[in-house]
Amino acid sequence: GENVEQHPSTLSVQEGDSAVIKCTYSDSASNYFPWYKQELGKRPQLIIDIRSNVGEKKDQRIAVTLNKTAKHFSLHITETQPEDSAVYFCAASISGNTPLVFGKGTRLSVIA
Amino acid sequence: DTAVSQTPKYLVTQMGNDKSIKCEQNLGHDTMYWYKQDSKKFLKIMFSYNNKELIINETVPNRFSPKSPDKAHLNLHINSLELGDSAVYFCASSPQKAEEAFFGQGTRLTVV
Repeated sequence: GENVEQHPSTLSVQEGDSAVIKCTYSDSASNYFPWYKQELGKRPQLIIDIRSNVGEKKDQRIAVTLNKTAKHFSLHITETQPEDSAVYFCAASISGNTPLVFGKGTRLSVIA
Repeated sequence: DTAVSQTPKYLVTQMGNDKSIKCEQNLGHDTMYWYKQDSKKFLKIMFSYNNKELIINETVPNRFSPKSPDKAHLNLHINSLELGDSAVYFCASSPQKAEEAFFGQGTRLTVV
């Protein structure tokens, strides 16, 4: 089955700096790659997703890139703010077929 | 008008007891899931239900059993609770298999 590796497990950045979180997946058939943000004590919520027919997607300060050949995808957050502090999860699945398989999460701390 | 709701939010119980967690979604989604989040924040798929049919059952102990009376509900029943079952359990739903998952608020289960 699918296996998703996520790095780093913790990340601290100064407010205003950029943050990058990287994930790799094992199943070349996977074609849907969402990113979730989980604030302390809250539920995971989708922040951005990308499908395998697209190499990059951007939404304001967040962007995701996908390299299908290398089987890795990354989350980029620019101009970080304290409210970006949370645990971020990447996930992968075969759309219409398998449930989401999550990476182990990255705890992002934005220091004011 | 919460999209995915689960009850109870907190559950404290003794080892050996049997307990259930309820989940309901009002989004009209076809697929529902149960995820377990342990103390290290790992999100692991437990069950996936599509149109009342169990389509994936990960290697969870058979003390755990999902029950779906209809498309909008997926309850989780746990027999003979063990200390290691302590975790946060999230219910989720998606329009179809492996699309964006909408999570409930979670149930924090503590076995003492």
